[in-house]
Amino acid sequence: KQEVTQIPAALSVPEGENLVLNCSFTDSAIYNLQWFRQDPGKGLTSLLLIQSSQREQTSGRLNASLDKSSGRSTLYIAASQPGDSATYLCAVRLGRDSNYQLIWGAGTKLIIKP
Amino acid sequence: DAGVIQSPRHEVTEMGQEVTLRCKPISGHDYLFWYRQTMMRGLELLIYFNNNVPIDDSGMPEDRFSAKMPNASFSTLKIQPSEPRDSAVYFCASSELAGASTDTQYFGPGTRLTVL
Repeated sequence: KQEVTQIPAALSVPEGENLVLNCSFTDSAIYNLQWFRQDPGKGLTSLLLIQSSQREQTSGRLNASLDKSSGRSTLYIAASQPGDSATYLCAVRLGRDSNYQLIWGAGTKLIIKP
Repeated sequence: DAGVIQSPRHEVTEMGQEVTLRCKPISGHDYLFWYRQTMMRGLELLIYFNNNVPIDDSGMPEDRFSAKMPNASFSTLKIQPSEPRDSAVYFCASSELAGASTDTQYFGPGTRLTVL
């Protein structure tokens, strides 16, 4: 059974620092992995999606990497800003069509201090 | 596009009452998902539809929960009778083409349900 773990559960850093959020999964047979952002009282927004054949994806100050063999993904945030404060969740997709499901991590709550 | 629309945004009800949550997916999206989020259990998939047909409802907690999608632009999640342990935020999400490896889900703002 696929399990997704995110450590740490919470992280507080000063503005301007670079930081890394971690996501690990137990079964390397994934279709893709996504990172989402959730602001308080709001829904989730997809940040980056890495296909199983890819190693990384970049969007602005965000970079996500994927290492299937070790069951790990990282989300790198450069030059953090207070607006980056949110909960970040990773989700693993098991397969296509009838197996379409996302297995979710519990999230990392990030606080960027001004 | 207005995105995924959910109503109501907040619902407070008493134990035993029927609760109906509503969702309008993004136009043209073939997949619709209902999730529940709590502090204890995180985000859980309850059920998902493809072209209005329920595909997997194994996440529906018990018979008190039911979901329908009468057409491509509307879905409901009903709880009858409601219990305090049903208190959570319920999210609806839609996806355009789940078969593509680059596809993602778009979430609504959620309905915060409180059962007293």
